[in-house]
Amino acid sequence: AQSVTQLGSHVSVSEGALVLLRCNYSSSVPPYLFWYVQYPNQGLQLLLKYTTGATLVKGINGFEAEFKKSETSFHLTKPSAHMSDAAEYFCAVSGRNTGNQFYFGTGTSLTVIP
Amino acid sequence: KAGVTQTPRYLIKTRGQQVTLSCSPISGHRSVSWYQQTPGQGLQFLFEYFSETQRNKGNFPGRFSGRQFSNSRSEMNVSTLELGDSALYLCASSFSGTSGGRETQYFGPGTRLLVL
Repeated sequence: AQSVTQLGSHVSVSEGALVLLRCNYSSSVPPYLFWYVQYPNQGLQLLLKYTTGATLVKGINGFEAEFKKSETSFHLTKPSAHMSDAAEYFCAVSGRNTGNQFYFGTGTSLTVIP
Repeated sequence: KAGVTQTPRYLIKTRGQQVTLSCSPISGHRSVSWYQQTPGQGLQFLFEYFSETQRNKGNFPGRFSGRQFSNSRSEMNVSTLELGDSALYLCASSFSGTSGGRETQYFGPGTRLLVL
């Protein structure tokens, strides 16, 4: 079975500071990993994903994430937070044998302080 | 290309009623998945349809059902509504869903259902 843990349901950072959102997964085999962002009253938008290849993945809006198999982690980072980054962030995994079923973390609400 | 569209965007029902939600995937996408989002349970997978067949199912009671049409549009139905069914229902589409889960799913804006 697959599961995702996002440490910290709420994270606050100052504008211009580093953003670090944590995601750990549990899977018997390395899964496919995704980060989505959700703005109020909207659906989910893909930020980035890891399937194979380079473990450091760059996404939209300056975000990146690194797949660390030894730590079963896929933390999301951004060097400098912007006010527009305030949103809910979800880490998700899917497995090679589970088709299109995504398992989502509980989400992290990011607040950016001016 | 137009994104995933969901109708209606908002819905208010009373307990015991039934409801049908609609989802139109991105043109060319053949896989449609449904998720329920609540503050307490987060995002939970309901089911996935591909080529008019349910291919995958989450852990929800039989009151939750769905179908997919030949044009890939999908509907989900919830019968005998309960207060706990109040949620944001999200639809997601992907091209084929045959790549073992590596395909990106594109989400619609959701239908917010309130059960009174």
